[in-house]
Amino acid sequence: DTAVSQTPKYLVTQMGNDKSIKCEQNLGHDTMYWYKQDSKKFLKIMFSYNNKELIINETVPNRFSPKSPDKAHLNLHINSLELGDSAVYFCASSQGTGGWTDTQYFGPGTRLTVL
Amino acid sequence: AQSVTQPDIHITVSEGASLELRCNYSYGATPYLFWYVQSPGQGLQLLLKYFSGDTLVQGIKGFEAEFKRSQSSFNLRKPSVHWSDAAEDFCAVVAYSSASKIIFGSGTRLSIRP
Repeated sequence: DTAVSQTPKYLVTQMGNDKSIKCEQNLGHDTMYWYKQDSKKFLKIMFSYNNKELIINETVPNRFSPKSPDKAHLNLHINSLELGDSAVYFCASSQGTGGWTDTQYFGPGTRLTVL
Repeated sequence: AQSVTQPDIHITVSEGASLELRCNYSYGATPYLFWYVQSPGQGLQLLLKYFSGDTLVQGIKGFEAEFKRSQSSFNLRKPSVHWSDAAEDFCAVVAYSSASKIIFGSGTRLSIRP
């Protein structure tokens, strides 16, 4: 069983479109995260949710909107896609309240390409 | 502001040889320190972490890391690498405060020579 899964694995779209990436974890964790990894492999946290509540919101354009329908899911919706949004997006989860001492488990990533 | 530096972009090591990957951080107090591994096409997996206590920490897959406060370093080591260790390795730091967040280094690509 996959612990943290993401769909789709690849996403190719045109500039200006709106797209969503879904994340699900079956570990029973309380906290979930979204990270962005750019073409230089630089990894940066975007958001984290604990029990469906937003706890970290980094300086991310408001075109990005995370949504957590329940604590096992954290989806990422992106409006008006731009070329600079092309990256690999990773979802992760951890037990506890989002303190950084908890081990994070990462999904396989979604490679987004904006043309 | 906290930062983490991995000076080596790419390292090639012969299979069976020892390995050391460097990581330096910038922060006034002792941060939380992590090493993650990313295999091709995969997400990140935690190798080991340090919060306090014994400065030599053991992780999975035979990796270890040593925290050296005087050098602001947390270098990753393995006595004998295996071909399956080929991956991208990331050091990360959390400087605990009311607005703490995790900061990743730029990564070191590890290649294994047969």
